[in-house]
Amino acid sequence: QSVLTQPPSASGTPGQRVTISCSGSTSNIGLNFVNWYQHLPGTAPKLLICTNSQRPSGVPDRFSGSKSGTSASLAISGLQSEDEADYYCAAWDDSLNAWVFGGGTKLTVL
Amino acid sequence: EVQLVESGGGLVQPGGSLRLSCAASGFTFRNHALNWVRQAPGRGLEWVSGISGSATSTYYADSVKGRFTISRDNSKNTLYLQMNSLRVEDTAVFYCAKDHGTYPRDFFDYWGQGTLVTVSP
Repeated sequence: QSVLTQPPSASGTPGQRVTISCSGSTSNIGLNFVNWYQHLPGTAPKLLICTNSQRPSGVPDRFSGSKSGTSASLAISGLQSEDEADYYCAAWDDSLNAWVFGGGTKLTVL
Repeated sequence: EVQLVESGGGLVQPGGSLRLSCAASGFTFRNHALNWVRQAPGRGLEWVSGISGSATSTYYADSVKGRFTISRDNSKNTLYLQMNSLRVEDTAVFYCAKDHGTYPRDFFDYWGQGTLVTVSP
């Protein structure tokens, strides 16, 4: 059971907008920044969104992040086939003194 | 170009030990915290351990506390993970991840390709 809660799956058709939620608590998301990672099996995970809503250089502006209270979300607009991957949220947990991840959301582009 | 190259994975019996290494290049090594993150077969990413740039602070997931030890050699630009008392449930791909900041509190901006650890009788 992951400390951060994500839906196990999400899907959309090319061009659609998809959102992935991430729910935590006051000791993690409530106090600290949320980061999002994209992971294709067999490859190195990639930083997608940092500090709640910032896109690192090279990440398309189709990807956006937001945070409110103890929840965060990742939105992907103009869905493309290459977006098919696993997406993880993560935040530092002040009570555990550790990084915590969501269980991951597998995005399928139909 | 930032590069993180893990090594040291392999097959080990339950109760055994293994030491992972992560050779880094392309950034000022001592200025950045480093972490180990693993992914068990069919499971999600799980943070394992982190160490500050100066190695003065270390952090561990409860699942490995007392069994794993993280360390770094800033003269060799290398991160280590000493894993003792290995269990079948430790089977995973282990990734080395660079933190943006000096302490493992910012975000992981670069990751290695991973090394597979298999714990099996």
